[in-house]
Amino acid sequence: EIVMTQSPATLSVSPGERATLSCRASQSISTNLAWYQQKPGLSPRLLIYDASTRATGIPARFNGSGSGTDFTLTISSLQSEDFAVYYCQQYNNWPPYTFGQGTKLDIK
Amino acid sequence: EVQLVESGGGLVQPGRSLRLSCAASGFTFDNYAMHWVRQAPGKGLEWVSSISWSSGSIGYADSVKGRFTISRDNAKNALYLQMNSLRPEDTAFYYCAKGKSVASSYNWLDPWGQGTLVTVSS
Repeated sequence: EIVMTQSPATLSVSPGERATLSCRASQSISTNLAWYQQKPGLSPRLLIYDASTRATGIPARFNGSGSGTDFTLTISSLQSEDFAVYYCQQYNNWPPYTFGQGTKLDIK
Repeated sequence: EVQLVESGGGLVQPGRSLRLSCAASGFTFDNYAMHWVRQAPGKGLEWVSSISWSSGSIGYADSVKGRFTISRDNAKNALYLQMNSLRPEDTAFYYCAKGKSVASSYNWLDPWGQGTLVTVSS
């Protein structure tokens, strides 16, 4: 099973600043990685797939990068609606699909 | 608009069974694999099970293998999760999600339903 590790667990950033979230896989997953955003009381929403492709309707301030084992989600110029929990998911090996434990992005 | 609506959650005693349903609309259901993912209250996401378009390829998390059964009815645009021998650690919100293609593998999940809460407690 591929283990996904996200860091940091919590990230405090001021509105308008940049946030950088990391996700590391325990073995190479090529670019078979997705990022999801989850706000309190809501279901997760797909942001990024194939490590760097934005899903439909996702603003350009969300950018994904990386390949192999190390991945990054960068949110430039944070808006109030961006404060949420973010999860990465690998889909290179199945079963199982595996998620990171999440990074909570909160307001500084 | 793609919509996924889960139902069937509730309070159940340990050892009992429950069947979840997911009603799909807004897309050609039998062109896509479907998935169940759960989330214990206040915790992270855990993949549970996936099924290909034809039901020919199915997978389960080790934590539910032998107790849960995924199925689909393409004529009814419906996905199911039969949960037997439920345990307190199965307590979670259960989400259904649409895959990206007919196959169960190499899938990101989009969109997700609103979830249904299963509570296993005596």
